[in-house]
Order: sequence, then structure tokens, then C-alpha cells
Amino acid sequence: GAGVSQTPSNKVTEKGKYVELRCDPISGHTALYWYRQSLGQGPEFLIYFQGTGAADDSGLPNDRFFAVRPEGSVSTLKIQRTERGDSAVYLCASSLMPGTTEAFFGQGTRLTVV
Amino acid sequence: GENVEQHPSTLSVQEGDSAVIKCTYSDSASNYFPWYKQELGKGPQLIIDIRSNVGEKKDQRIAVTLNKTAKHFSLHITETQPEDSAVYFCAASTGYSSASKIIFGSGTRLSIRP
Repeated sequence: GAGVSQTPSNKVTEKGKYVELRCDPISGHTALYWYRQSLGQGPEFLIYFQGTGAADDSGLPNDRFFAVRPEGSVSTLKIQRTERGDSAVYLCASSLMPGTTEAFFGQGTRLTVV
Repeated sequence: GENVEQHPSTLSVQEGDSAVIKCTYSDSASNYFPWYKQELGKGPQLIIDIRSNVGEKKDQRIAVTLNKTAKHFSLHITETQPEDSAVYFCAASTGYSSASKIIFGSGTRLSIRP
């Protein structure tokens, strides 16, 4: 595709519910990143994938957060038992290959937990 | 882990004047330093980057400088225009030789006064 695509663009959920956020990276990009951005803050690293495997998941805040990338392309960020503090914009980015970290970002999914 | 500090948090300059944003980083292994521009409701967009084997890089009205000894890097925008108004983020990564996470600063909101 032309760029990184994230769906949905907006998600409102009730506290305690489960949500899935989807990221379609740029075709051919092997590295995929998830970030969380709260209002007025910089993107906070969550996890990145190289191919199908999570190369670094040190930013996931707790075990309610999980991400997969089963075929090395599309990735899904999963949040269980959502809390109001999870409300933020979740950003996905991809980059072409190892050896470059020029990352291209999607427009994000705005998650609101009520 | 890496920590990136950015200042100022807000900056207002007269159209046509220059703007400077400064960042420091903590991890001496960091070797890739991108700068992103984020407009309201959009994901961050890479505007320029610099690698650790280079001290300065220019692209039209934008320049970045890097002082590895002091762990400082800066963004310089000359002849500012209204469309330069946005939030700017510096970032650091160890990912020159392999893809790795990118750590962001907290952002600078730049406003250009007409």
C-alpha cells in the first residue's frame, strides 16, 4: 500500500473490555513498531517486530498488552481488561529492512476507555 | 535504557526567523537520530535524520547537528514559514546496524507568528 494503515481510526470501549488494534505496514517492510502516545507527550515505545518475531517487547506496560504478527506483515495489538488509563493514541510504524530504522508512521488509532 | 530529553517544550518565532530545538540522549551506543514532525490528528512524519558518523546534515531550510561527545543534537529551521507550525520530536536509536526501537523526546510545539 501507499503507507502504513491503522484500523480502526477511533475506538471507544468500556472499562474491562477486550480490544484489538490492527496495523497494515508498508508492503515489504520487515520491521514493525507499536507506540502509545498520550496527549502532549512523545510516542512511547511498546514493542517491535522483525519479521514474525517480537525483537523487543520491553515497552509493554503489563501482561494485559500483547501483540502478534503471525505472517510477518499485518500486526494486531491486543489489550485485555481495558482500563481508563489505557486511553491514548496507538501508533504503528514500519521500516524497510534491518540496517535502516527510517520508520514510517500510520495515523494512529485513538482508543478511549470509558 | 535510552532516555531522550527535549527542550523547549513550546517555541514561538516570527515568520522568517530561525527556530532551534535541542535534545540530549543518555545511551552512548545510540547512533541514529531522526527528527519527526507531527501535525494535528496525524502520525509523526520523518523530516530529517542523522547518523553518528556525521556531525551535520542539511536539507533545504532544515539542518541537524550532532555532538556525540556531549550527547547533544539539535534541529535548526531557517526562514520559518506558517506551514512549519507543528509538534517536533527528536529521537534516538541504536539501530544503525540493526533495526531496533526508537526512543522519542517529549516534543516541541512550534508556532510561527505571521
